[in-house]
Amino acid sequence: TQLLEQSPQFLSIQEGENLTVYCNSSSVFSSLQWYRQEPGEGPVLLVTVVTGGEVKKLKRLTFQFGDARKDSSLHITAAQPGDTGLYLCAGLSSARQLTFGSGTQLTVLP
Amino acid sequence: GAGVSQSPRYKVTKRGQDVALRCDPISGHVSLYWYRQALGQGPEFLTYFNYEAQQDKSGLPNDRFSAERPEGSISTLTIQRTEQRDSAMYRCASSLAGGLAGGWTYEQYFGPGTRLTVT
Repeated sequence: TQLLEQSPQFLSIQEGENLTVYCNSSSVFSSLQWYRQEPGEGPVLLVTVVTGGEVKKLKRLTFQFGDARKDSSLHITAAQPGDTGLYLCAGLSSARQLTFGSGTQLTVLP
Repeated sequence: GAGVSQSPRYKVTKRGQDVALRCDPISGHVSLYWYRQALGQGPEFLTYFNYEAQQDKSGLPNDRFSAERPEGSISTLTIQRTEQRDSAMYRCASSLAGGLAGGWTYEQYFGPGTRLTVT
């Protein structure tokens, strides 16, 4: 079973601060996705990274895929209350299955 | 356009009863996935279909769980003889197609889920 561990599990910060969320695995993934989930809703895809070492930017969010395609990070600059939510990484295996990480619950206080 | 819909949104049932959860995917989406999600955790894969064919059911916890997608569109997840440990949020997702080929990636669109409570 491929496991994805996210850290931290919970993060509470003030508006304007920067933060980084990590997603680590001992397995190699074909690609890795980051989702954001709000209460009462399903996860919504933010980005997919495919190539080892790849960096993608989405406004204030920067996503990086590790060189060995086993880990990833999400960095948010100048966090806003609207960024509050559950952030999930998910690895796509060669078996065409998405394995989700344990999640990071982010709270940005105004 | 319409997203993935699930029904019912909430289901309370007594232990030992059977339940059927329905998923209506986005029109034209080939692949359909079922997940179970605990509060504050990531979704846990149960099974998925391409068209009407069940491709992988390795995530189904035991033989009380089954799923079908007879016409390649709407899917039903059935839990027989429910137990309290089955209580969870059950989510469905669909995508244009499943798998990764030649660098092409796919996006899963998730439904709002069915909150199942077994008393």
